[in-house]
Amino acid sequence: GAGVSQSPRYKVAKRGQDVALRCDPISGHVSLFWYQQALGQGPEFLTYFQNEAQLDKSGLPSDRFFAERPEGSVSTLKIQRTQQEDSAVYLCASSLGSGRATGELFFGEGSRLTVL
Amino acid sequence: KQEVTQIPAALSVPEGENLVLNCSFTDSAIYNLQWFRQDPGKGLTSLLLIQSSQREQTSGRLNASLDKSSGRSTLYIAASQPGDSATYLCAVRPNSGGSNYKLTFGKGTLLTVNP
Repeated sequence: GAGVSQSPRYKVAKRGQDVALRCDPISGHVSLFWYQQALGQGPEFLTYFQNEAQLDKSGLPSDRFFAERPEGSVSTLKIQRTQQEDSAVYLCASSLGSGRATGELFFGEGSRLTVL
Repeated sequence: KQEVTQIPAALSVPEGENLVLNCSFTDSAIYNLQWFRQDPGKGLTSLLLIQSSQREQTSGRLNASLDKSSGRSTLYIAASQPGDSATYLCAVRPNSGGSNYKLTFGKGTLLTVNP
């Protein structure tokens, strides 16, 4: 596709359920990012992939959060045993370059997670 | 730790007005600064990216300036239209350190342009 695609767009989970959020970046983009945006806040960094390598996961809030990009394209963000504080919009972004040359980021429309 | 502040938090103007959105950051060692637009329930759309060596960037009715030494950027919107209503976010990328790919965002300015 022409842009970054995320699914599902909306997810309602009961507390304690596991969820998986998918991101299809722009074809050929080396870098992939996950950001978390709470209501009324700016996005906050979660994790960064360069191709299939997860180079930075320092923003993941707890060990319940896990991300992967096994073939260097599609990425999945998994949240185990969801808690109410996990409710947020999860944004995926990709860029052509990497590291210092990351350049302009292109964001998907996000996955809005509501944990009841 | 880099902190990004956007003022005002919300702004309501009549159609046709020129307006300025402000962004300030505490650490001037940035690589670039990017302005985004976010419509309700949507992702972020990149508007302008300014490299640290640049003073301004223009795209249509939008003009973004950067004063790195004072830690400030402004987004100027000329002849505002109701379709400009959205949240505008600025984000900075650090120039140094191992995480120079990581954006730090402000909380955004919610703009409403009234017809």
